[in-house]
Formats: sequence, C-alpha cells, structure tokens
Amino acid sequence: DAGVIQSPRHEVTEMGQEVTLRCKPISGHNSLFWYRQTMMRGLELLIYFNNNVPIDDSGMPEDRFSAKMPNASFSTLKIQPSEPRDSAVYFCASRPDLYNEQFFGPGTRLTVL
Amino acid sequence: DAKTTQPPSMDCAEGRAANLPCNHSTISGNEYVYWYRQIHSQGPQYIIHGLKNNETNEMASLIITEDRKSSTLILPHATLRDTAVYYCIVRVAQGAQKLVFGQGTRLTINP
Repeated sequence: DAGVIQSPRHEVTEMGQEVTLRCKPISGHNSLFWYRQTMMRGLELLIYFNNNVPIDDSGMPEDRFSAKMPNASFSTLKIQPSEPRDSAVYFCASRPDLYNEQFFGPGTRLTVL
Repeated sequence: DAKTTQPPSMDCAEGRAANLPCNHSTISGNEYVYWYRQIHSQGPQYIIHGLKNNETNEMASLIITEDRKSSTLILPHATLRDTAVYYCIVRVAQGAQKLVFGQGTRLTINP
C-alpha cells in the first residue's frame, strides 16, 4: 500500500492567489482528516470527513478555507485568497474505521509570500 | 478530552531504554492513552495505545499506572532513528474522531 498520498509536497505562492492541496487516502479507509502544523500553534485539526461527509469543520480558520471530498479516494483543501499567515505544513490523514489509529501523509509545505 | 503534560525534551543514549512520561491526572474512565511520534519533516506516526493494562507491540511498551493518572512510553533499545517528537494523547476511543496534539516531548537519541 502506498499510504496516504499528498500533492504537491511543496507549494510557494504569492499572497492573494488560490491554493489547492490534494489528498488521496488509503484505499478502504472511510475517515479523512486535514491538519495544519506551525511552530506557533503546533498540530491542529482543521476538518474531518466520515464516508465523504464533512463531520466537523470547527477548526477551519475562516471562510477563505474550504475542503471537499467528492469521492472516497480524493479530497481537496482550498485556500482562496491565500495570506502569508497561512504558511504551514498541511497534513492529510485517514483511518479505516472509528476504532483504529490515523495514518498520516507526508504533508504539503505551503509558503505564501 | 483530558489534558496531558509531557516534558518538553529528553535525551537518551543509543541502545538504552528511553522512558517517556506523561501525566493525565484528569483522565476519565472511558478515555484511552494514545502515543504518536513525529520524525522531522514527516507526518505523525501511531505507536501504541491502551486503556488500563500495560501494552506492548513491536515498536514500544506502554505502562499505565493503576490510578491511570500517568503513563510511560518505553522504547526498549533506542536507535538514532527514534529521534522524534513524541505526543501523548488522551481521548475516548470509540466514536471519537479528533486527535488533539499538545507540544509533545522532543526525544534526542545520542550516539
């Protein structure tokens, strides 16, 4: 199994541009999570999906952030417009069911200039 | 979820046992203790979890005190590749989705 796949691995963009981060969960996993990690705030949960349905998006910072999961094998996290304070490493994770551990992807390092 | 307290950093010599403590004095009866680690520039990795009994797997052992207010993660023969930030997380296992990560313990294995 290839594990959780995230793309791109690195993204550098200018303030005001739209950014789309992508995640492919492990096949058969029915929960998907988006996290953000910064030095100041550590690792924070942004949103999670169960069976492609968003369950809790209380961690999404503001309306500039949106996440979708159109099918069981793909999810996107979009930031529009991006700001320098959005610079962070964004991790996607998946889990097979409610009772198992989460498997994390390698992350996307986002830099907004 | 109960709050956890961990030392910010620890050192251990290669080949020795690394013992990482975690305090969770407000843990409730249905909450489990989970350990994850994050090696530099990688995503967090699950290590082990337990409720009240000691647990062991191929990566580590978890010792939970009888009153469940604290626990210790043991890496029996630490290697340089075990250098990472280790997170102790307490949460209800069933039906709970969120992992709330604290600051963790930065473990450095020295040659």
